[in-house]
Amino acid sequence: DVKVTQSSRYLVKRTGEKVFLECVQDMDHENMFWYRQDPGLGLRLIYFSYDVKMKEKGDIPEGYSVSREKKERFSLILESASTNQTSMYLCASSSNPELGQYFGPGTRLTVT
Amino acid sequence: DQQVKQNSPSLSVQEGRISILNCDYTNSMFDYFLWYKKYPAEGPTFLISISSIKDKNEDGRFTVFLNKSAKHLSLHIVPSQPGDSAVYFCAARGGNAGNMLTFGGGTRLMVKP
Repeated sequence: DVKVTQSSRYLVKRTGEKVFLECVQDMDHENMFWYRQDPGLGLRLIYFSYDVKMKEKGDIPEGYSVSREKKERFSLILESASTNQTSMYLCASSSNPELGQYFGPGTRLTVT
Repeated sequence: DQQVKQNSPSLSVQEGRISILNCDYTNSMFDYFLWYKKYPAEGPTFLISISSIKDKNEDGRFTVFLNKSAKHLSLHIVPSQPGDSAVYFCAARGGNAGNMLTFGGGTRLMVKP
């Protein structure tokens, strides 16, 4: 079974803090993704990576950056957290897109 | 502008009856469509998919129908069970967007015993 793990289930940070969200997958997938989920808006893609050290912007990359130094690990960074970044953050990985993406359990981030 | 829309935010169905979840899209370049199910406090899980060259795909109680001319797809669950209660997301892959998926806003399905 594919397993995608995220470093925290719940996180509370203050405005202006730097925030790191970590994601690890154990199936040697080339592709990894970061989404945020907000009510009524579904899942929106922030960034994705199709290989180590490679990254592509998704639909809403502003205010975020990513890092992929190892194939199994994909990090999302909020350089200076703001209240409008309060959301559920979901990491996913895939090898064959037609088999779907495998998601982690999510991190609920609250920025106060 | 949302390219994938699920116009019903919620749906309530009696156990044993059919659940029909709908999804509309605007981008004719989408070539692959997927449905995901999400329980609270868990990540979405892949449910079923369909290629744009097909109009129907079936897997047990779940069937997805695709109407390309109407740019519409639907997920049928027959018979519905209380364990099917979850949020369902449809997603579409662009023909030239590689592995990127565009998701709809989700529909919360409640199956009443």
